[in-house]
Amino acid sequence: TAGITQAPTSQILAAGRSMTLRCTQDMRHNAMYWYRQDLGLGLRLIHYSNTAGTTGKGEVPDGYSVSRANTDDFPLTLASAVPSQTSVYFCASSDLGGTYNEQFFGPGTRLTVL
Amino acid sequence: GQNIDQPTEMTATEGAIVQINCTYQTSGFNGLFWYQQHAGEAPTFLSYNVLDGLEEKGRFSSFLSRSKGYSYLLLKELQMKDSASYLCAVMDSNYQLIWGAGTKLIIKP
Repeated sequence: TAGITQAPTSQILAAGRSMTLRCTQDMRHNAMYWYRQDLGLGLRLIHYSNTAGTTGKGEVPDGYSVSRANTDDFPLTLASAVPSQTSVYFCASSDLGGTYNEQFFGPGTRLTVL
Repeated sequence: GQNIDQPTEMTATEGAIVQINCTYQTSGFNGLFWYQQHAGEAPTFLSYNVLDGLEEKGRFSSFLSRSKGYSYLLLKELQMKDSASYLCAVMDSNYQLIWGAGTKLIIKP
């Protein structure tokens, strides 16, 4: 199985432009997450979704929006990108209520905003 | 506030043993996770502790003391491929993961 896929792998974006980062999982996990990872900092949660149709704000939600129309897809949208959003973005999923609740990560999207 | 502390960087020798410590202060506790992350790659799950004590999985072991807010990851018989960052994360009362900044482990021949 593919697990979690993310697209694109990397992107250079002009400030002020919008962009959607795609994330798809095939494990039928109920919960999905978006993180950003910056040098010297831990993974920081942007938004999450515990089940299809619901979303919640994480630690750093400003400037980002998400939707969860179905179980498999969890896109992250930057409405008007700013240079501080330059980061590596990871999508993850988990089976909330499972034995470990461990999160499985996609390969990441490296975004540079100029 | 919520806080996860772990050393920024550690160096060890191939074939040796290394212990990576993690201390935490979180609102609630629903388990502690260790992940491995090679440079340029995604984090991958290593271990999970929810009760006090030692969990062993091959060359890797993880220990938890909930009363002390402390965990460690023990790596034995180090191999060059163990060079990576090791991330400590605690699941809080909302079942969200709070992450440490990670410990970069450098293995020397």
